[in-house]
Amino acid sequence: GDSVTQMEGPVTLSEEAFLTINCTYTATGYPSLFWYVQYPGEGLQLLLKATKADDKGSNKGFEATYRKETTSFHLEKGSVQVSDSAVYFCALSTSGGTALIFGKGTTLSVSS
Amino acid sequence: GAGVSQSPSNKVTEKGKDVELRCDPISGHTALYWYRQSLGQGLEFLIYFQGNSAPDKSGLPSDRFSAERTGGSVSTLTIQRTQQEDSAVYLCASSLFGSDQETQYFGPGTRLLVL
Repeated sequence: GDSVTQMEGPVTLSEEAFLTINCTYTATGYPSLFWYVQYPGEGLQLLLKATKADDKGSNKGFEATYRKETTSFHLEKGSVQVSDSAVYFCALSTSGGTALIFGKGTTLSVSS
Repeated sequence: GAGVSQSPSNKVTEKGKDVELRCDPISGHTALYWYRQSLGQGLEFLIYFQGNSAPDKSGLPSDRFSAERTGGSVSTLTIQRTQQEDSAVYLCASSLFGSDQETQYFGPGTRLLVL
């Protein structure tokens, strides 16, 4: 069945470091891909998304490119801040309006 | 505007009791989803409502779980005869039918603890 695999955490970085969180997927058809973020004590928020191959989603300095050839959607940020400390979830949807399939989540901790 | 709201925010119950969790979606959103977030299982889909169509119940873990959506808006997730393994955060999400249908907006969740 469809699935999402993302790198295990926790990821610990110093402020201004470069961030990569790997995400790969298995799906039939052509899924849409998402990154959601959960800040401490808050609900899940959509961070960015891409709906077709080679699309790049971006928001708040984060980027991810939909790579069909490698079935990947890695999350990157050039310079992390303490405020980026959160749990990041990669997810896919195989067709509009269906349930999201999530990865296990990666905890990011950024220190000053 | 107002986001997805859920109540209660926390619920502690005894094993064997029934619980009801409520979700108020964003006004005008026709699709509503329930997920469960637990330490061992991550985020799991439970059930999906879209307009007046029959709900997709494929994610419900047992027949102790049920959900309804009244008037195409508010939804209630009911867990009967709760077990300790039901302890988790229950998340509700809604989305708008249309070109942006796939973007699901999540509520803050209900944290359920079964003693």
